[in-house]
Amino acid sequence: RKEVEQDPGPFNVPEGATVAFNCTYSNSASQSFFWYRQDCRKEPKLLMSVYSSGNEDGRFTAQLNRASQYISLLIRDSKLSDSATYLCVVTPGAGSYQLTFGKGTKLSVIP
Amino acid sequence: DAGVIQSPRHEVTEMGQEVTLRCKPISGHNSLFWYRQTMMRGLELLIYFNNNVPIDDSGMPEDRFSAKMPNASFSTLKIQPSEPRDSAVYFCASRRTGSGNTIYFGEGSWLTVV
Repeated sequence: RKEVEQDPGPFNVPEGATVAFNCTYSNSASQSFFWYRQDCRKEPKLLMSVYSSGNEDGRFTAQLNRASQYISLLIRDSKLSDSATYLCVVTPGAGSYQLTFGKGTKLSVIP
Repeated sequence: DAGVIQSPRHEVTEMGQEVTLRCKPISGHNSLFWYRQTMMRGLELLIYFNNNVPIDDSGMPEDRFSAKMPNASFSTLKIQPSEPRDSAVYFCASRRTGSGNTIYFGEGSWLTVV
């Protein structure tokens, strides 16, 4: 089983739609989780951290399910500018340098 | 504020040639990472430096790859000799220890070996 797995997509959704991505991880000792966003031919950038209780940042909601070892990202009211690849990132703990990246899920928001 | 600066942005080279990629981390950041990204394998950590010292180079593919960090503001990744399978995007990233896991990536060096 791969350390971090994501559905590669692409997810093609109309503007205004709600879309959700899941990511599963194999290391049950993982402590910190993140979503990064990578635009086409650009570098990855931190989108948001994922906290145990779940957290929201505007139209974006991240959740963690430790029992099932997956994290999710929900995007409400999709915008054209949300089109990108979303990378799930898992680490053994806060401050660890060992960030394991998923291969990403590609999202295309269409007019 | 300047971000992580990488050069060259694009390089096309012939098999067997030496390739040197350069990175200037964000000022004040004491951790530096070199990653490689391909469609097949995604983002892979090649090497991690902390305070200019290589801590983990287990991701370096083979002896053809080497990395140095002579000071806090400069690092190089060298491939000698290069092979077509080295074609990828090479990202440098940096972080200030103690700031959590947020790392900041440079724009990448797009390498094509023909």
